[in-house]
Amino acid sequence: KAGVTQTPRYLIKTRGQQVTLSCSPISGHRSVSWYQQTPGQGLQFLFEYFSETQRNKGNFPGRFSGRQFSNSRSEMNVSTLELGDSALYLCASSRDPTSDTQYFGPGTRLTVL
Amino acid sequence: SQQGEEDPQALSIQEGENATMNCSYKTSINNLQWYRQNSGRGLVHLILIRSNEREKHSGRLRVTLDTSKKSSSLLITASRAADTASYFCATDARNQGGKLIFGQGTELSVKP
Repeated sequence: KAGVTQTPRYLIKTRGQQVTLSCSPISGHRSVSWYQQTPGQGLQFLFEYFSETQRNKGNFPGRFSGRQFSNSRSEMNVSTLELGDSALYLCASSRDPTSDTQYFGPGTRLTVL
Repeated sequence: SQQGEEDPQALSIQEGENATMNCSYKTSINNLQWYRQNSGRGLVHLILIRSNEREKHSGRLRVTLDTSKKSSSLLITASRAADTASYFCATDARNQGGKLIFGQGTELSVKP
């Protein structure tokens, strides 16, 4: 079974631009969560999607948004990029929100210049 | 916000030695999990211990959980150079659905 895939793996943007990151969960998994990892703040929860609905949202500004499609694939979008948005963005999938274990993708490394 | 803290922040040992990492958390939990991350890559799930369990083993890994102290420890026995990575504990807090709250991590270096 293929693991969680994230595209692109690396991305360089400039301040003020917007970016869209994509995540394909493990086949059969319907819950997708996103996390931001930075050296200063560590791993922080962004949001969780299940059945195309956002179930939980972390403490991030409205510039961070996401969605989930009917095939469980998910995208997250960051608008009006700031230098501080440079981070590793990790996507994780599980069968459903009650599943204990989440399976992480390799991440997308976003650099904002 | 982080659920708790991990200690030590960094640990350097020789191959063959045991490595112990500790994690503390703040709120009541459904379970606690440990993940490994190699140099800025994705996280790999290692082991999960439920709130009604006190100890769990998986290969060279031993995890303990003390809910009265809100703490957990991860022991890696007979460490290998390939164990060099960052280790994170994560809690799935009650009433917070599928959200994982991570500690700051312990950076383990195993020297051959």
